[in-house]
Amino acid sequence: ETGVTQTPRHLVMGMTNKKSLKCEQHLGHNAMYWYKQSAKKPLELMFVYNFKEQTENNSVPSRFSPECPNSSHLFLHLHTLQPEDSALYLCASSQDEGRTTDIQYFGAGTRLSVL
Amino acid sequence: AQKVTQAQTEISVVEKEDVTLDCVYETRDTTYYLFWYKQPPSGELVFLIRRNSFDEQNEISGRYSWNFQKSTSSFNFTITASQVVDSAVYFCALWLGDSSYKLIFGSGTRLLVRP
Repeated sequence: ETGVTQTPRHLVMGMTNKKSLKCEQHLGHNAMYWYKQSAKKPLELMFVYNFKEQTENNSVPSRFSPECPNSSHLFLHLHTLQPEDSALYLCASSQDEGRTTDIQYFGAGTRLSVL
Repeated sequence: AQKVTQAQTEISVVEKEDVTLDCVYETRDTTYYLFWYKQPPSGELVFLIRRNSFDEQNEISGRYSWNFQKSTSSFNFTITASQVVDSAVYFCALWLGDSSYKLIFGSGTRLLVRP
């Protein structure tokens, strides 16, 4: 148990659907991250939020829309996805996304399949 | 360019064998940190170790040991007397202190420990 919970664990959606991934951390951290893990590719950082403000958007297509209502919760809203978006989406949190190297703690991920 | 290379895609060993996972990194930054994470079948990345660029001392934690050599830009991970529970994907990652606040991951090494 890492203190970072992601729901749902598995999600199957059609290309016209709208769905959301949820991440919650119970560690009192201020920074939260979304990563994409595709088969045979390194983990790709998608978004970073620090104190609820987005500090990083790693050229992610607009069909992925993050939301961070508070430091404990992070959402990833999905709409009109493509089959190549099928992947494991991992959420992480760290104390701060400042000029220190905080350890990032990861959730178990949401396995997304786009049909 | 900043990059992490884990050349071993998959390693298979028999229980109780020792195994070394290789990690080679590239950076021009003088301040950086190196990490190892373990990803068991359950999906979450579990933090194993963090090492900063000014500390080349090797570290041992139980059956795990890490060999950091700046001269060869390597940060290798050895598991002594491997166990079936060590079966997982292991990621090496680089965090840059001067130019970026991102974790750059290698592509991972899948370790299978057979009974």
